[in-house]
Amino acid sequence: EAGVAQSPRYKIIEKRQSVAFWCNPISGHATLYWYQQILGQGPKLLIQFQNNGVVDDSQLPKDRFSAERLKGVDSTLKIQPAKLEDSAVYLCASSLGQGYNEKLFFGSGTQLSVL
Amino acid sequence: GQSLEQPSEVTAVEGAIVQINCTYQTSGFYGLSWYQQHDGGAPTFLSYNALDGLEETGRFSSFLSRSDSYGYLLLQELQMKDSASYFCAFRTTDSWGKLQFGAGTQVVVTP
Repeated sequence: EAGVAQSPRYKIIEKRQSVAFWCNPISGHATLYWYQQILGQGPKLLIQFQNNGVVDDSQLPKDRFSAERLKGVDSTLKIQPAKLEDSAVYLCASSLGQGYNEKLFFGSGTQLSVL
Repeated sequence: GQSLEQPSEVTAVEGAIVQINCTYQTSGFYGLSWYQQHDGGAPTFLSYNALDGLEETGRFSSFLSRSDSYGYLLLQELQMKDSASYFCAFRTTDSWGKLQFGAGTQVVVTP
C-alpha cells in the first residue's frame, strides 16, 4: 500500500515570503492531519480534517497559515508571510477515521528553513 | 491542563532492556499511544493501550496505569536500529480527539 506522500522534501525561503506544502494521504483515509515539529520537540497538531471538513484548527495561526483539503483527498498547507519561528518540519498524516484515530500514518515531511 | 512528560534521553548497550516512562495530566483521554521516529524520518506507530495493563508486540511492550496517570514503553533485546526518538501520545476527550504528543525520548544504543 502506498504511504502518505508529501512535497517538497525541503524548502528554504526568506522571511515574509510565501510557501505551500502538498500532501496526498493513503487512499481511503478519511482523516488528514498537519503537524508542525520543531527540532527537539514532539509534533504539534496544526489542523485536522475529517473528509473535507475542518474538525480542529485551534492551534493554527490563522493570520498566516491556511489549509484546505480538496474533495476530501489531497491537502495543501500555506504560510503567508513566513516568520523565522516557522522553521520546522511540517508533517502530514492520515488515518482511517473515527474509531481508528490512534494509528496515524505519517509522511516524510517537509523541512522548512526560514532565513 | 493537559500534558505528557517523558525523559529527554536514555542510553543503553546492545542487548539491554530500556524502559521509557510517560506521565500525563488530563481530565479524560481514550488511551496512550507510542510512536518511533528515526532522525530525518517520519513518526511510525508502535502500540496503543486503551485499557490498563501490558500490550506486547515483539520486542516492544507498552503498559498503562490510568490510576497512576502513567505508562511506559519497554524495549527488549536492544538493537542498534532502535536508536531513535520515542513519543508517547494521547487523544483527549474534550476536543475532537486530536492526538497530542509528548516531547519525546531519544534512545541511544551503544555497541
